[in-house]
Amino acid sequence: GQQVMQIPQYQHVQEGEDFTTYCNSSTTLSNIQWYKQRPGGHPVFLIQLVKSGEVKKQKRLTFQFGEAKKNSSLHITATQTTDVGTYFCAGLRNQFYFGTGTSLTVIP
Amino acid sequence: DGGITQSPKYLFRKEGQNVTLSCEQNLNHDAMYWYRQDPGQGLRLIYYSQIVNDFQKGDIAEGYSVSREKKESFPLTVTSAQKNPTAFYLCASSIYRFNQPQHFGDGTRLSIL
Repeated sequence: GQQVMQIPQYQHVQEGEDFTTYCNSSTTLSNIQWYKQRPGGHPVFLIQLVKSGEVKKQKRLTFQFGEAKKNSSLHITATQTTDVGTYFCAGLRNQFYFGTGTSLTVIP
Repeated sequence: DGGITQSPKYLFRKEGQNVTLSCEQNLNHDAMYWYRQDPGQGLRLIYYSQIVNDFQKGDIAEGYSVSREKKESFPLTVTSAQKNPTAFYLCASSIYRFNQPQHFGDGTRLSIL
């Protein structure tokens, strides 16, 4: 089936460093959503991007949707220990296809 | 508080046994979803329902069945035909269709005895 690839699978950063996770689809997506799942928890919705080239910011988080609507990225500036968790993208075609997630560890 | 309730939190199944996972929401959402989460594979869609008495197969529906007799409830049955049922199962809902944020329950972890 349709897959949304997400890299990297794991990322360890020192507190204060930046972090980026990337999602790529082989086909055009209608929109893309991003979720955060804390260890032992359930995914929590962060944001939805719909338009080609769209950029949205939430405090230290910046989300981008590619011009071709096939890729997206989440960038966190100056990570904090509260950013720990797994970040998933979910691209929509006929249904949502979740990426495999990027597990972020922040070292104090 | 409004939300999604999944029960039980942990479930054990014997070989050849069907088990049913409960999902209830009081958010008045039309759409509900079941996902399976395995380590390193993200979330995969099992079934979804956009309205009462209607549901559609996702990518990995084989060995699973659902019903949507009430707006608030979307139970998932893991049948004996599902050969590898050990996983973390997440239920979600959204106001309608796919292009809305999905709200997730706390999940049910199913294991085989």
